[in-house]
Amino acid sequence: DGGITQSPKYLFRKEGQNVTLSCEQNLNHDAMYWYRQDPGQGLRLIYYSQIVNDFQKGDIAEGYSVSREKKESFPLTVTSAQKNPTAFYLCASSIVGQEAFFGQGTRLTVV
Amino acid sequence: AQSVTQLGSHVSVSEGALVLLRCNYSSSVPPYLFWYVQYPNQGLQLLLKYTSAATLVKGINGFEAEFKKSETSFHLTKPSAHMSDAAEYFCAVSGVDTGRRALTFGSGTRLQVQP
Repeated sequence: DGGITQSPKYLFRKEGQNVTLSCEQNLNHDAMYWYRQDPGQGLRLIYYSQIVNDFQKGDIAEGYSVSREKKESFPLTVTSAQKNPTAFYLCASSIVGQEAFFGQGTRLTVV
Repeated sequence: AQSVTQLGSHVSVSEGALVLLRCNYSSSVPPYLFWYVQYPNQGLQLLLKYTSAATLVKGINGFEAEFKKSETSFHLTKPSAHMSDAAEYFCAVSGVDTGRRALTFGSGTRLQVQP
């Protein structure tokens, strides 16, 4: 089955720790995205990539980093510089400019 | 620049009643518009999309939306609500000809369906 796989589903981070969220797609899409979801705020764009080895900052990139070494993979690292990382993180992919297909999300909690 | 405004963070209807979820957009270029649904602790699922073809778009689960350029609106409707429609709904816009081709989302509308 084609789709987008995010892992883990739940993740706990200690203060000062970096954590990496995984996102893999087998839809052969060029574009991939990371969104953050907080209650009542909709989805906010963190980073996006339209082609391998290239990515752009979204609206809330501070404290996050990404890489795009393979077409299928777009991991997101939440660094210790992100002061309020507790949120639901959604990865998506698309043909550039078309509808996005979403993974099931990763819920990150700071403990 | 592109943006989306969803009027009403919560909407409550009775089972069998009309569902109307409002979305207004702002875009400097002809937009592509989308409606997504999200169930608790899950990702988003595409309901329907407008990509400059027919202005009345039909989607899954009996939903439809009408693109009205003069009103910059793309409201989502369903003639008869079902209990399984209870979820959060997001409107999104993509400015295909702009440098930024990621979807911009509204803040969402939570739909409650009363028995």
